[in-house]
Formats: sequence, C-alpha cells, structure tokens
Amino acid sequence: NAGVTQTPKFRVLKTGQSMTLLCAQDMNHEYMYWYRQDPGMGLRLIHYSVGEGTTAKGEVPDGYNVSRLKKQNFLLGLESAAPSQTSVYFCASSYLRSEQFFGPGTRLTVL
Amino acid sequence: GENVEQHPSTLSVQEGDSAVIKCTYSDSASNYFPWYKQELGKRPQLIIDIRSNVGEKKDQRIAVTLNKTAKHFSLHITETQPEDSAVYFCAASNGAAGNKLTFGGGTRVLVKP
Repeated sequence: NAGVTQTPKFRVLKTGQSMTLLCAQDMNHEYMYWYRQDPGMGLRLIHYSVGEGTTAKGEVPDGYNVSRLKKQNFLLGLESAAPSQTSVYFCASSYLRSEQFFGPGTRLTVL
Repeated sequence: GENVEQHPSTLSVQEGDSAVIKCTYSDSASNYFPWYKQELGKRPQLIIDIRSNVGEKKDQRIAVTLNKTAKHFSLHITETQPEDSAVYFCAASNGAAGNKLTFGGGTRVLVKP
C-alpha cells in the first residue's frame, strides 16, 4: 500500500497563477483533509471531506477550493495564487474517528 | 471553535533526561487527543493518542496524561534519545462531522548527546 500520496512535491508559482494539488489514498478511508503548515503556527485545516462528493470548509478556507469526485482522491485548487499562500500543504485521510494518516507534503512558493 | 495552546515552543534536554510538553484546549466537548511527531522535512506521524474516558496511556518511553476538569493534557518522554529530536504537535477533536483536529503550535525538541 502506498498510503497517502501527494502530487507535486514542489511548485513555484507567480502571483495570479492557478494550480491544483492532488491527494490520493489507497486505504479506502472515508475522511480526507487538506492542511497548511506555516512556521510557528502548527497545522491549520483548509477544507475537509467526509465522503465522495462532499466537501466542507475548515479553519482557513479563503482562496482555496476542493473537490472529491472519487473516494480515493481529494483535490485542492488555488484559482489565483497569492504570496500569502506560500506554505507546505499536507493532505491526510482517516477511517471515520481513527488516526489521521498524512501525505508527504507539497512545498508551494508563490512569488 | 476549539483553541489548542501548546508549551513550550522549544525544549532542549540532555540525552537520558525526560521531556514534558503541555497543551490546553478550550472546547469541553473535545474527547480525542492525539500527539504527532514530525521530523525535519517529513510528514507528521501519530505517536500516541488518548480518549476522554482514559486518564493516562503509556507506550514504552512515551506517555500521555489527560485532565478533563482542567482541560489540559501532556506528553511525557522518558530516557530521551537523539532520535527523539523533532517537532511534536498536540491536537484535539470533539468527534463532530469529519473528526476535525485542531492542532497546537508545536514544540521543537532537541536532545543533546
């Protein structure tokens, strides 16, 4: 099992560009999450999903959109990137109320 | 919403000594408290968790204690080793839809040989 994987690992964008981050899990987990990690601020929840076709806002959703068209995939989109979105993005998944398993992260820089 | 505060932000200990990290939470409905370890450049990984019906849980050199009345929980690492050097995050969840976690700001632990 690959667990939770993320694509890409690194990306540099210019202000105003758009991109999509892909998260995939092969553990048949119902719940999936997108976090951002900034120095000294821990992990903050952007959006989450409790099942295929459902999404909900987390703590810091502004500037991001998500989609969960298939149970195993959770996409995070930035429509118009801003320097404030420079961060490390982690995807996670869990089976209902159990442990969250994290992906390896995507380091995004917005110039 | 939930607010989790974590102290200290950095902790330096001598190899073999103990390390203690403390977290407080605000939502009295929180009932699940995991601890994650994140090595430099790696993903967070669960090291131990506790649910609100238990006051203490141990796993080899690590233990977590929970005081529901005071709304705080702590991570204890005994006989620290250099490989314990990492950033540790506490988190809390009330088990509502999505079992969302609210994380503390993290503690950078350095174990000096």
